[in-house]
Amino acid sequence: DTEVTQTPKHLVMGMTNKKSLKCEQHMGHRAMYWYKQKAKKPPELMFVYSYEKLSINESVPSRFSPECPNSSLLNLHLHALQPEDSALYLCASSPGFRGYEQYFGPGTRLTVT
Amino acid sequence: TQLLEQSPQFLSIQEGENLTVYCNSSSVFSSLQWYRQEPGEGPVLLVTVVTGGEVKKLKRLTFQFGDARKDSSLHITAAQPGDTGLYLCAGEQNSGYALNFGKGTSLLVTP
Repeated sequence: DTEVTQTPKHLVMGMTNKKSLKCEQHMGHRAMYWYKQKAKKPPELMFVYSYEKLSINESVPSRFSPECPNSSLLNLHLHALQPEDSALYLCASSPGFRGYEQYFGPGTRLTVT
Repeated sequence: TQLLEQSPQFLSIQEGENLTVYCNSSSVFSSLQWYRQEPGEGPVLLVTVVTGGEVKKLKRLTFQFGDARKDSSLHITAAQPGDTGLYLCAGEQNSGYALNFGKGTSLLVTP
């Protein structure tokens, strides 16, 4: 099973809303990632968790707050987003951090109104 | 700075034609991955190459890693409409911690 699942598939939220994106994998992977992808652009790394600890934060604004409750789950909490934050948010996982293949979920299409 | 340059950026071909997509860099990568992404979906891993000069085949797709591990190519034989999508190369450097993505090649195969 090489599946990474993400919910919801689509999300529309206002600038004052609070919402969360969820990601789950059951491959026993110990590294999990959040990426942001704008149309016709490659994915941009946001956060990396390794062994449930935040290893990398690519200078992401604090209105994005990641959380890793356990080794299978990764959340991205959203608050006070801007319209320019609208994008496809991708979760990925890999067996370890560095030197391993990353497997991506289907993404959450986020629209901020 | 874009470490990986992909070409062409766009490609529109007829079913049955062959094509090659290139991924070039002036930097050395410890490994390089190719993904295919369909609109609104996440990238799907096609292959990983790690050894300079390595050639891997996946049905009608042939992947090659350059001898110096700075470049890679993807060749598709007898393209089919199902091959349509965005092809992304992504490389990992020994000194880095994240995948460096190329900008992608958008392929359209028409019947």
